[in-house]
Amino acid sequence: DVKVTQSSRYLVKRTGEKVFLECVQDMDHENMFWYRQDPGLGLRLIYFSYDVKMKEKGDIPEGYSVSREKKERFSLILESASTNQTSMYLCASSLFESGANVLTFGAGSRLTVL
Amino acid sequence: DQQVKQNSPSLSVQEGRISILNCDYTNSMFDYFLWYKKYPAEGPTFLISISSIKDKNEDGRFTVFLNKSAKHLSLHIVPSQPGDSAVYFCAALGNNDMRFGAGTRLTVKP
Repeated sequence: DVKVTQSSRYLVKRTGEKVFLECVQDMDHENMFWYRQDPGLGLRLIYFSYDVKMKEKGDIPEGYSVSREKKERFSLILESASTNQTSMYLCASSLFESGANVLTFGAGSRLTVL
Repeated sequence: DQQVKQNSPSLSVQEGRISILNCDYTNSMFDYFLWYKKYPAEGPTFLISISSIKDKNEDGRFTVFLNKSAKHLSLHIVPSQPGDSAVYFCAALGNNDMRFGAGTRLTVKP
């Protein structure tokens, strides 16, 4: 069964701390994505990557950075966490192909910043 | 700006009846539409999709209808089952840009 695994399901951090959210996929997918999910706002794209060492900003990249050193791993970094970054973070991956782009999501990482 | 809108935050139906979840979009560039289902503490999972060249796609109890002129799509679940209780996200894709709606929480009562 193919999987996207997010290493941390629940995290509690303090304002100003550096936060790493890790995501690993075992499907050999080229594309990987980081979304955040907030009530009433749906899923908003933070960053995505089409290949190793490549990254593209999504709709809300401010306050975040990403790293993709290996094809299967895509990390989201909060350099200095703030309370407005309290959210559910979802990692996803997909094959690089035109037309249909079905995302496979991880279970999510719920981050609380105090 | 929300290019994909799900105007009903929640919907409650009786087991065995039809559930209809609605989604509207504003961008004419979208040419592929998807529905995802999300249970608590799990990531969204793909449910069904439709290309803009079609107006209907059916998969078992799930049917998606697309009205391009109205920029509207809907997901029909017949018959609804308690296990269908989840949050449903509509997504629209065009030019490699995927946008999600805010989600509709469906509750199916036994």
